[in-house]
Amino acid sequence: QTVVTQEPSFSVSPGGTVTLTCGLNSGSVSSRYYPSWYQQTPGQAPRTLIYSTNTRSSGVPDRFSGSILGNKAALTITGAQADDESNYYCVLYFGSDIWVFGGGTKLTVL
Amino acid sequence: EVQLVESGGGLVQPGKSLRLSCAASGFTFDDYAMHWVRQVPGKGLEWVSGISWNSGKIGYADSVKGRFTISRDNAENSLYLQMNSLRPEDTASYYCAKAVGSRVGFDPFNIWGRGTVVTVSS
Repeated sequence: QTVVTQEPSFSVSPGGTVTLTCGLNSGSVSSRYYPSWYQQTPGQAPRTLIYSTNTRSSGVPDRFSGSILGNKAALTITGAQADDESNYYCVLYFGSDIWVFGGGTKLTVL
Repeated sequence: EVQLVESGGGLVQPGKSLRLSCAASGFTFDDYAMHWVRQVPGKGLEWVSGISWNSGKIGYADSVKGRFTISRDNAENSLYLQMNSLRPEDTASYYCAKAVGSRVGFDPFNIWGRGTVVTVSS
């Protein structure tokens, strides 16, 4: 069974840069998986940051960027701010009209 | 303004059925695929099902296949999720999401509703 992997937790200093990744337990992620990234704080609906690898959703600041790094999809946050402290989820397309989310990364800004 | 408003959640006994609705506004509904995503309290997001613009393509997560049915009414700008044979593990917030294009595959989702809560318990 294919599993989408994300770091369970990560921390970054205010003003710093952090890269979160989205991989597979078997195989490599490419743009053909249309990786997308979502930010969610507890009690709120998810907010779309990046879709289709590197397309920024409307209203998302350019300090959020998406890419493929090696065999994983990546979300990079530059100039981290306190309100970036959230849970971040990636989702991948597996063909046959099936999407699968990763388990999420809890980002702490401290 | 694009808006998605879910409704139909509530408390239901195991084995029973429930139908969720999502009312869409602010965009041309029949130009876009739509999805349902759920989240168990305190856990991560789980994609549940998606439907293409014309209902020609539909996908389901293995966890709900055979029990849940997604549908849409383009004339009413509405998305639905018929949930049968409900289990306690279906307890979650259910979000309606709009895709960036018309295809259920290849076009990720980028606009979300606020969700409706489903509790399956006796």
